[in-house]
Amino acid sequence: AQTIHQWPVAEIKAVGSPLSLGCTIKGKSSPNLYWYWQATGGTLQQLFYSITVGQVESVVQLNLSASRPKDDQFILSTEKLLLSHSGFYLCAWRPTGGAGYFGPGTRLTVL
Amino acid sequence: GDSVTQTEGPVTVSESESLIINCTYSATSIAYPNLFWYVRYPGEGLQLLLKVITAGQKGSSRGFEATYNKETTSFHLQKASVQESDSAVYYCALGGSNYNVLYFGSGTKLTVEP
Repeated sequence: AQTIHQWPVAEIKAVGSPLSLGCTIKGKSSPNLYWYWQATGGTLQQLFYSITVGQVESVVQLNLSASRPKDDQFILSTEKLLLSHSGFYLCAWRPTGGAGYFGPGTRLTVL
Repeated sequence: GDSVTQTEGPVTVSESESLIINCTYSATSIAYPNLFWYVRYPGEGLQLLLKVITAGQKGSSRGFEATYNKETTSFHLQKASVQESDSAVYYCALGGSNYNVLYFGSGTKLTVEP
């Protein structure tokens, strides 16, 4: 069975500081990987997806970027955090068109 | 674009009462989108509750049911008799023409009182 690990579990960062959130999936080769974000009280939105190493597609522009450096790893980052980046970040694996499996999430607070 | 609208929360019901969480969708990119209900129990990750990919069909899981209604563009979640353990946040979601993109509703927090 596949497992999805996200790090860190929670982060408190200052506005303007850099950010890197990670996601690894074990037990699944060549997974489709996804990043989602939910602002407090907001809707869960898809940010990025990656079907293969080195390729990332953007869905919603939030001044964030994503990279897929390895088959089992998906990284979300920015050089300058905004207050609006606060929220809950979810990584997921989904077969194309399928329901998918989600990681435990990272809670980000930007002050 | 594609979008989902669901019952604004929070919703509180008593144990053994019936439940309906409304979900309507707008799918401009695809005639027959895949429709999903996800659930996040307290302290747990988001997980699939049920999925229906064919209009007119019903999905069911853990006593919950949802019917894909193309005419009314709805996918309401129902349960005849809720339990305390059903307390969770429920999300309706749609898969559009890009099968790699999911559109979620805002989530409905359900609290079931004993």
